[in-house]
Amino acid sequence: GQSLEQPSEVTAVEGAIVQINCTYQTSGFYGLSWYQQHDGGAPTFLSYNALDGLEETGRFSSFLSRSDSYGYLLLQELQMKDSASYFCAVRSNAGKSTFGDGTTLTVKP
Amino acid sequence: NAGVMQNPRHLVRRRGQEARLRCSPMKGHSHVYWYRQLPEEGLKFMVYLQKENIIDESGMPKERFSAEFPKEGPSILRIQQVVRGDSAAYFCASSEDRVTDTQYFGPGTRLTVL
Repeated sequence: GQSLEQPSEVTAVEGAIVQINCTYQTSGFYGLSWYQQHDGGAPTFLSYNALDGLEETGRFSSFLSRSDSYGYLLLQELQMKDSASYFCAVRSNAGKSTFGDGTTLTVKP
Repeated sequence: NAGVMQNPRHLVRRRGQEARLRCSPMKGHSHVYWYRQLPEEGLKFMVYLQKENIIDESGMPKERFSAEFPKEGPSILRIQQVVRGDSAAYFCASSEDRVTDTQYFGPGTRLTVL
């Protein structure tokens, strides 16, 4: 089976940097994705790591260590609009994605 | 390009009725995934379909739930004899490729069972 762990809540101030960790146990691992969801709306794709290392996309970066079964999402220069839920998801080589329970990020002024 | 479309956006049913949720994937996408989300919880995988085939239904309850993705038309998630515990948001996602491609999500259908 597959399981993921991520913190349930994180709070930070505008302009700060925040890191959301994700550890996973899985068979047939293919890659780790991150999604953002505002107020129960449609989740939107943020980033995807299939190989070890850091992927940077603007203010957001994502890191993966396959040997440690660990990844993180890094959000820089936080803005109020970044307040949302963030989900890590493991993609299996069979195509199925398993999502974590999500981290609620609250950005304060 | 239109994104993933889901309808209805909100659906209210009484216990024992049937619920039909529709999902039209993005143009060119032949892989569809259904997820269920309860309030304050994550997305739970239900079923993965490719045109006319169910690839993985390991997350879908064996009874009352079924899904299809016909050659023509949208994917349908069908819940028979709904119960209050079926109340949730049901999201559909689509991708072009089975493994490497990003999944694009629809706006979801909020099902309320009275």
